[in-house]
Amino acid sequence: KNEVEQSPQNLTAQEGEFITINCSYSVGISALHWLQQHPGGGIVSLFMLSSGKKKHGRLIATINIQEKHSSLHITASHPRDSAVYICALPSQGGSEKLVFGKGTKLTVNP
Amino acid sequence: DAGITQSPRYKITETGRQVTLMCHQTWSHSYMFWYRQDLGHGLRLIYYSAAADITDKGEVPDGYVVSRSKTENFPLTLESATRSQTSVYFCASIGPEDRLLREQYFGPGTRLTVT
Repeated sequence: KNEVEQSPQNLTAQEGEFITINCSYSVGISALHWLQQHPGGGIVSLFMLSSGKKKHGRLIATINIQEKHSSLHITASHPRDSAVYICALPSQGGSEKLVFGKGTKLTVNP
Repeated sequence: DAGITQSPRYKITETGRQVTLMCHQTWSHSYMFWYRQDLGHGLRLIYYSAAADITDKGEVPDGYVVSRSKTENFPLTLESATRSQTSVYFCASIGPEDRLLREQYFGPGTRLTVT
């Protein structure tokens, strides 16, 4: 079973700062997910990536398959980015069953 | 409405009672999942289903039962609720048929309290 380590657990930033959240895992995977959970509880998928980098607006996700590591970056952070960010990946190989990091609670102050 | 819905959104029940949480999706996605989310543990898979009438256990299945007689519905039943089952429950389904790059879509969650 894949083990997922996400860091940091909590992160407080000032508006405009560059944010990095990290995710490491133990077993090779086909793809990794980054999810966002809003204060109201809803969960949305931000990215799913299997290699390289993906960008959506101010959010950038990267993955290094060899090092078993992924990062989520937020450029020019804004208070509306305040949320819990969760990485998720297959429990083994290409399985549809996911295991999740414990999440990073991001607070962006104005 | 298109998408994935859960009902009820909030439920308070007593220890020992049977409770069923409903999940409905309108996309005809083949895979559906039930997760629970607890402080300190994050999201954990309870059960999943690859298609109608095909279900399998996840990481924390004890005390739960699922069924999937129709593709669009995936109910989760707590046969005899315990306080340890107080949690937020999320249903999810998998999108397009590209097996390696399938984005999961989550329902809004059900907050269950067992007293």
